[in-house]
Amino acid sequence: DGGITQSPKYLFRKEGQNVTLSCEQNLNHDAMYWYRQDPGQGLRLIYYSQIVNDFQKGDIAEGYSVSREKKESFPLTVTSAQKNPTAFYLCASSLGIAASYEQYFGPGTRLTVT
Amino acid sequence: AQKVTQAQTEISVVEKEDVTLDCVYETRDTTYYLFWYKQPPSGELVFLIRRNSFDEQNEISGRYSWNFQKSTSSFNFTITASQVVDSAVYFCALTPSGGYNKLIFGAGTRLAVHP
Repeated sequence: DGGITQSPKYLFRKEGQNVTLSCEQNLNHDAMYWYRQDPGQGLRLIYYSQIVNDFQKGDIAEGYSVSREKKESFPLTVTSAQKNPTAFYLCASSLGIAASYEQYFGPGTRLTVT
Repeated sequence: AQKVTQAQTEISVVEKEDVTLDCVYETRDTTYYLFWYKQPPSGELVFLIRRNSFDEQNEISGRYSWNFQKSTSSFNFTITASQVVDSAVYFCALTPSGGYNKLIFGAGTRLAVHP
């Protein structure tokens, strides 16, 4: 079955610690994305990557970092510099970066930082 | 400015009722794409439909239908004969055609369908 996997589903961390969220896709998609969702709000784009070894900041990139060493994988690190990291994080991918391509989403990781 | 407004925060209906979810968008682009996604309690977003700005034909897929009206910048979603399984948060989103594939989401409408 083709799809996007994110692990873990729930993640708990202490304030001041960096944490890395995993995202893997086997859809052979070139483009991948990370979104953040807060209660009662729509999704906001953190980072996106249109090809291996390339990624760009989205609207709320501060306090986050990413890498794209393999086509299938796009991990997101939430650093201690992120002031309000508790949120639901969704990874997505699309065939390409053009606007006409729909994005497919993973099941999400709920991060709680105390 | 690019913006999507879903004015209905929560809607509650009884099974078999029809329900319409409103979506109003703002963009200066002449070419753009509109989307609807469903987010069930599991959290994953499920793609429902994509519509480009040049195609104003309404679309029907089973119990789902979409009404796109450029004159009022609206892209409304109707569920006919709602079912409990339709309970979810529904997001409308916009992507301008220029630049990268940036989805601009509305805040979502939470639909609760009661037996």
